[in-house]
Amino acid sequence: GENVEQHPSTLSVQEGDSAVIKCTYSDSASNYFPWYKQELGKGPQLIIDIRSNVGEKKDQRIAVTLNKTAKHFSLHITETQPEDSAVYFCAASLSSNTGKLIFGQGTTLQVKP
Amino acid sequence: SQTIHQWPATLVQPVGSPLSLECTVEGTSNPNLYWYRQAAGRGLQLLFYSVGIGQISSEVPQNLSASRPQDRQFILSSKKLLLSDSGFYLCAWSVPGGNTEAFFGQGTRLTVV
Repeated sequence: GENVEQHPSTLSVQEGDSAVIKCTYSDSASNYFPWYKQELGKGPQLIIDIRSNVGEKKDQRIAVTLNKTAKHFSLHITETQPEDSAVYFCAASLSSNTGKLIFGQGTTLQVKP
Repeated sequence: SQTIHQWPATLVQPVGSPLSLECTVEGTSNPNLYWYRQAAGRGLQLLFYSVGIGQISSEVPQNLSASRPQDRQFILSSKKLLLSDSGFYLCAWSVPGGNTEAFFGQGTRLTVV
């Protein structure tokens, strides 16, 4: 089945710097790639997603890139702020019926003021 | 608008006791429903998913079971809890028939003692 690897597991940046989180997936049939942000003690919330027919998508300070050939996708956060501190998860989905998401292991991002 | 309710928020149960976690979704019909478990410092592991009433698919062998007695109700159960069942349990839903965002509940922190 699908397997998603996420790196790094922890990331510490200075406020205003950029942060990049990378994920690889195993099943080339995967066609939907969301990114979630999870704050302490809460459920994850979608921050951005990308589909396999698109190479890049941007929403203000957040962008996601997808390389289907290499089977990897990345989250880019620019001008980081302390409120960006959280756990970030990537996921991949290849089923159009069940909508199952296979998640990466998560990245704990700390933005130091 | 759609909302998802999950309860209880926290639960401490002794080893060998039964478990019942409930999740309900409002504002949508025939959603895909999911139970995920998040162990400390780990990613989100898909436990069960359901595409309709009475239709349950298990992703990993385990001590837990799931049921969907009504269209928008998803229940996670165990007859006898193990220490290894401790974790953060998340219910989620998505629109059926396509790769779209999954919406998560606030989670249940289960500690088996």
